Amino acid sequence: DADVTQTPRNRITKTGKRIMLECSQTKGHDRMYWYRQDPGLGLRLIYYSFDVKDINKGEISDGYSVSRQAQAKFSLSLESAIPNQTALYFCATNAAEQETQYFGPGTRLLVL
Amino acid sequence: SQQGEEDPQALSIQEGENATMNCSYKTSINNLQWYRQNSGRGLVHLILIRSNEREKHSGRLRVTLDTSKKSSSLLITASRAADTASYFCATDAGNYQLIWGAGTKLIIKP
Repeated sequence: DADVTQTPRNRITKTGKRIMLECSQTKGHDRMYWYRQDPGLGLRLIYYSFDVKDINKGEISDGYSVSRQAQAKFSLSLESAIPNQTALYFCATNAAEQETQYFGPGTRLLVL
Repeated sequence: SQQGEEDPQALSIQEGENATMNCSYKTSINNLQWYRQNSGRGLVHLILIRSNEREKHSGRLRVTLDTSKKSSSLLITASRAADTASYFCATDAGNYQLIWGAGTKLIIKP
């Protein structure tokens, strides 16, 4: 079984809809991250959480919100989706003091 | 804003040849990491080099770091078809937040 899973893997939605992307991990890591990837660009950090009670904005948090329901679960919500949020979204995790990150398989989101 | 810039944006070579990708960054770092992404999938960590290191090896991978020039290179020797992927550098300035380059798309031709 994959250590970091994301659901759904693909999602098509319409402008104005609220959607949630979910991330679960079985690695026992405290730290979790949400990134988006656009064609021709590297990953950009949306939000990150260093433990269940810690939520921090990343570089591009506007239009997004997150919830850290448990150590193993970190959800990303788009309150009112817009077309320029069409992207590939990745969840990543690592342990405290660990420098490398472990990635989920990604969620491809299309906002019409 | 992105920390790293990678070049070339795309690289196509014959199987068996060596592939070199470069990464430049803007601010001081604690470490620089390279990741691989197979077509639209999650990223996989390849190698990490710390700011006090100049060169590091892992199997067919060789990474160099020049902090005076704020640049790094990734060399893949004896390339294989399975090396076809996008390669990203990411820098860690000490706050455990990685800043990513735009990536190099590598194609290995049989």
